Amino acid sequence: SYELTQPPSVSVSPGQTARITCSGDALPKQYAYWYQQKPGQAPVLVIYKDSERPSGIPERFSGSSSGTTVTLTISGVQAEDEADYYCQSADSSGTYPLYVFGTGTKVTVL
Amino acid sequence: QLQLQESGPGLVKPSETLSLTCTVSGGSISSSSYYWGWIRQPPGKGLEWIGSIYYSGSTYYNPSLKSRVTISVDTSKNQFSLKLSSVTAADTAVYYCARHREDCSGGSCDNWFDPWGQGTLVTVSS
Repeated sequence: SYELTQPPSVSVSPGQTARITCSGDALPKQYAYWYQQKPGQAPVLVIYKDSERPSGIPERFSGSSSGTTVTLTISGVQAEDEADYYCQSADSSGTYPLYVFGTGTKVTVL
Repeated sequence: QLQLQESGPGLVKPSETLSLTCTVSGGSISSSSYYWGWIRQPPGKGLEWIGSIYYSGSTYYNPSLKSRVTISVDTSKNQFSLKLSSVTAADTAVYYCARHREDCSGGSCDNWFDPWGQGTLVTVSS
């Protein structure tokens, strides 16, 4: 089955830059999406189509893609950015599409 | 502003069927370009897509759950529903409903989930 691999945790000081990676074999052919999930809350879309930012999402959130790895970057991290982050993409190699989420990364603001 | 709200029993016995409904407000479930999906998250674990449905009734299911899942839609009530049969403790999770956006161009389609409902915890226990 298709897997998207993320580091379990990333720690960053306020004002610094956090980078979260997501690796998957199909990422050169499929866009990636990023969701932020704070404790006890539902996920919120923060990046779509690798690097597009939905309205209402702060400019400090950005995304990029290179080969089999996509990266979510949070510039000038704030305390409110402490959350779990999940990437998501699709596996279209089968008869029907399969939508897959990454393993998740916990971002801790020191 | 589109909102989604899950409802249903919070406790289900092993071997029985889990049933949840998602009510959509602030927009029509019959909108083109949108599917409507279910995603679950076991306590302390990651997200798993369960399946999605178009307002016409067309469905996609996660192959790992396909034999036990049925998703249906009621456009008159602006609702869609999930049934998961023969549940075990492994099906204990927070179940989310979400709007599933499909954007097709150039022979390929891009898919993502936004927004999500608040989620509902379903515990499988006798």
